[in-house]
Amino acid sequence: QITLKESGPTLVKPTQTLTLTCTFSGFSLSTSGVGVGWIRQPPGKALEWLALIYWDDDKRYSPSLKSRLTITKDTSKNQVVLTMTNMDPVDTATYYCALIVATRKGDAFDIWGQGTMVTVSS
Amino acid sequence: AIRMTQSPSSFSASTGDRVTITCRASQGISSYLAWYQQKPGKAPKLLIYAASTLQSGVPSRFSGSGSGTDFTLTISCLQSEDFATYYCQQYYSYPTFGQGTKVEIK
Repeated sequence: QITLKESGPTLVKPTQTLTLTCTFSGFSLSTSGVGVGWIRQPPGKALEWLALIYWDDDKRYSPSLKSRLTITKDTSKNQVVLTMTNMDPVDTATYYCALIVATRKGDAFDIWGQGTMVTVSS
Repeated sequence: AIRMTQSPSSFSASTGDRVTITCRASQGISSYLAWYQQKPGKAPKLLIYAASTLQSGVPSRFSGSGSGTDFTLTISCLQSEDFATYYCQQYYSYPTFGQGTKVEIK
């Protein structure tokens, strides 16, 4: 069974850096074609893709947020970490991580974590 | 950026109805399109990928079609558990989502 779970702070102050961890099981991020992505959703709004990392350490970022994002993986721990700098209240959202199996389904987000709500407020 | 536009943004329907949601890409994306269902307070769930391939475990009343710039998601016989918000997503280039279509009970 494949599962993903996001963890991190629920509240951050403006200008701080957010660090989120996606811990997964049931697959390996060293398997060819596998990737993990981050997607966020402000309250009542649409989904927005943030970043992707693939099994070969190829990394992709949303052009509008690229300067603020860093995505890394720790294959031995089955974790993917996303950092976002200079947080602002408009970054308040539920943050999801999700599995990609590019070799079978392209960059469609196959299985999602439950999400973690992050509020940016002083 | 490839912009994805869904229509309508919301509508009301009854159980048993056949419903269609449209997604238009601002440029051609071949068949690199996915559809998701999201219920309140829950994560999105992949329904369809490659424009028309049904995700394992998804009921056959869901179907997708289209290629290039115009795509549709059809629910052939709406069930009570299908009232939700639906999103399209292209992955021809870096992923972008549509704004969502909320299907409400009439």
